[in-house]
Amino acid sequence: DAGITQSPRYKITETGRQVTLMCHQTWSHSYMFWYRQDLGHGLRLIYYSAAADITDKGEVPDGYVVSRSKTENFPLTLESATRSQTSVYFCASRGTSGYEQYFGPGTRLTVT
Amino acid sequence: DAKTTQPPSMDCAEGRAANLPCNHSTISGNEYVYWYRQIHSQGPQYIIHGLKNNETNEMASLIITEDRKSSTLILPHATLRDTAVYYCIVRVGDTGTASKLTFGTGTRLQVTL
Repeated sequence: DAGITQSPRYKITETGRQVTLMCHQTWSHSYMFWYRQDLGHGLRLIYYSAAADITDKGEVPDGYVVSRSKTENFPLTLESATRSQTSVYFCASRGTSGYEQYFGPGTRLTVT
Repeated sequence: DAKTTQPPSMDCAEGRAANLPCNHSTISGNEYVYWYRQIHSQGPQYIIHGLKNNETNEMASLIITEDRKSSTLILPHATLRDTAVYYCIVRVGDTGTASKLTFGTGTRLQVTL
């Protein structure tokens, strides 16, 4: 499928478990981003990547790990999930010649 | 990045123009105004952006005041599908960097019959 996809769309996990959220884009965009969205906070940037093997922290990186071995994939891992990480997670990408970010459909994560 | 101020909510009748204001009084000369929207349970969607001239595309028009301290997003003929939260974001428009977006709380637009 063309565009930006996220998987899984819904996930329930237990406190302390490791979970990985996947993000895949087909445009070969250089930049990719992970946001989380919580009631009362809007969207907050977790991590971003300017290219393969180049990542940097955003506003709320604690408890998350990212990697980017291939341009098209940008997985987000919660190493030991906590209830405070219950949220909706959005992945986005942007090319080097445009200003707009394109967002995926989101992953709704619940940590019990 | 300059801070923006938007009304928390607005209503608009279907078929009428929806005018969504945004104040950004501390905007710098190299900062652009971006508009995104988020329909319920979906990812945000880019609408339009501008620096100082008015802009128009197939979705909307963006009117920026001469002093650039405020702007208005105009949806010329709002439909029920335009019901969403609209975010006004101001930041440097350099395509060569990550150009991280800072989302505020936006304006919740409700389009009604």
